[in-house]
Parts: sequence; C-alpha cells; structure tokens
Amino acid sequence: GAGVSQSPRYKVAKRGQDVALRCDPISGHVSLFWYQQALGQGPEFLTYFQNEAQLDKSGLPSDRFFAERPEGSVSTLKIQRTQQEDSAVYLCASSVGQSGYEQYFGPGTRLTVT
Amino acid sequence: GENVEQHPSTLSVQEGDSAVIKCTYSDSASNYFPWYKQELGKGPQLIIDIRSNVGEKKDQRIAVTLNKTAKHFSLHITETQPEDSAVYFCAASFQTGANNLFFGTGTRLTVIP
Repeated sequence: GAGVSQSPRYKVAKRGQDVALRCDPISGHVSLFWYQQALGQGPEFLTYFQNEAQLDKSGLPSDRFFAERPEGSVSTLKIQRTQQEDSAVYLCASSVGQSGYEQYFGPGTRLTVT
Repeated sequence: GENVEQHPSTLSVQEGDSAVIKCTYSDSASNYFPWYKQELGKGPQLIIDIRSNVGEKKDQRIAVTLNKTAKHFSLHITETQPEDSAVYFCAASFQTGANNLFFGTGTRLTVIP
C-alpha cells in the first residue's frame, strides 16, 4: 500500500523566506511525527500529533516553526523567516495507534537555506 | 531527556560475515527500541523493533537483543549481503508517555562483495 509521502522533496529558500512542507501520512494512521535530520546525524524530534491535536511541540527549535494537522490527516510544517541553520532534511512519520510504536517514515524534504 | 549512544560509527564487513551494532540509553523508563535502515536519499526504514518485556527478537537474518539492566541493546545481521550496506540507526522511547523516538548517531555499514 501507499506509504508516507512528503512534498516537495527538495526546497531551496533564501534567508528570510517562509516555507511550507507537506506530509501525507499512511491512511488511517492516528499519530504523526515531525523530525529534523541534520547532515550525518540521527533524526531529532520536533512535534507530535494525535489526530488533529498537537500533543507535544517541545522539539520545535523556535517560534518560527509551526505545525498543523487540521483534519487529522495531512500535516504541514511551516518555517517562517528561514535561517541558514534551518537547512536540514525534515522527516515525517506516522503510526497506526495512539502510541509511537512502529513509526513509518516518509522520504523527507531537503531544505537548503541560502 | 533520553540520550542514546551508538557504536561503531562505521563498520566494514566481508559479504557473508556478521555485523553487530551496539547502543546504550540513559533513561531506565524507556521501553521501546526500534532499529532503522536509511539508504542515501531515502527516509529511515523500520527493520526490527523490541519492547522491554522481551530480551531477544529475530526476523530472518536480523536479530535484536536487549539488556535492560545494563541499558543496552544490539542489532545483529548475519550472512551480510551488499544490499545491507546503508546507515543504521537505533532509537529508544518511552511509550505511554512521550511517544517520540530518540535516535543514536548512526552506523554506516559497508558490505564488501
């Protein structure tokens, strides 16, 4: 079946621009996670949704980062006034239940801020 | 929060040999330990996981062992093949609490034909 999809796959933004990254989770998956992966590092947690409720946003690095999942399916991660340190791969993962067991990841969006 | 350390950072093995990757974690409350394989340009792929109520789990050529007392867990790949070459990440989390995963820094495995 269809896995987690993300778009765009690559995004180049000039410093100061706003960007929006989209995640389509596996159909029916309740839990959705966003992670940030710097080059050569493991993914780091950003935020977590259970259906449309954002239950944990403790990993968001600044108030320039905002995420939403208004109908409990598709999610958007928005970064305002991008900075060079925002350059990374942004990964989305979903899992079927309310727990974080068996998280399935999308291919990621590689964001480069110039 | 949880801190996961992973060793080695790189590992080269001959095709057919075994590979072992080790991780330690800091939070004794962690109870879920998945392993992911990441190929270049792709997202992490879940390959096996273990929960804290078991000490070992096997799936064909891969196995994971968990020692909760020592707070470490390991991935074992037997009869390695060139297509096993990738970066492998361990992770830990506390389910029924914070559900997010804490990842190690990765091991780049190269299987030499």
